[in-house]
Amino acid sequence: GAVVSQHPSWVICKSGTSVKIECRSLDFQATTMFWYRQFPKQSLMLMATSNEGSKATYEQGVEKDKFLINHASLTLSTLTVTSAHPEDSSFYICSARGGAKGETQYFGPGTRLLVL
Amino acid sequence: AQTVTQSQPEMSVQEAETVTLSCTYDTSESDYYLFWYKQPPSRQMILVIRQEAYKQQNATENRFSVNFQKAAKSFSLKISDSQLGDAAMYFCAYRSPYDYKLSFGAGTTVTVRA
Repeated sequence: GAVVSQHPSWVICKSGTSVKIECRSLDFQATTMFWYRQFPKQSLMLMATSNEGSKATYEQGVEKDKFLINHASLTLSTLTVTSAHPEDSSFYICSARGGAKGETQYFGPGTRLLVL
Repeated sequence: AQTVTQSQPEMSVQEAETVTLSCTYDTSESDYYLFWYKQPPSRQMILVIRQEAYKQQNATENRFSVNFQKAAKSFSLKISDSQLGDAAMYFCAYRSPYDYKLSFGAGTTVTVRA
């Protein structure tokens, strides 16, 4: 149980285009999902908290207009990187809140984004 | 965000032996959650073990166990009978009871020697 999927796992795009990443909780409902960014050999950096049916909460320094988050259902959150540039190239990971008391975050497998 | 410190960037262990990873955290709260996550080369984050602060008993999951010292704000992970598949980066994480966000440590890379 507590499986989270992400799609796509790999994406290469041209500078200036937009890329959408999907995060799904497969066997549980998640009212809250999280989006992280991770650079090689570093820790996870929280970008935003996504709550079903409401606006996402962004961490300080994260551009809301660049990283659009939508959490339209209890099993799906999407992250859209708008007008992507090479500096947006990174590993993006989502997680979903689950567990008996909703105390645990379960992570998706991540998406590697390369912007050329 | 709470501060979580992992002071060991890298650890090496012989196969079948034991390794202990350290983690300390800073908090003024009395109830909270602590986690250890494993990130192998595939980069999939895997939950290893979870501890609720109000529970004095140390959590155990097969070969993985923790030494939770609440007064010292310490939460170390012991990997017993290390296997090659244990090679990964391990992250310690803290969660406040009032906020669902996780605060992560910098991570410890574990290498297992055959």
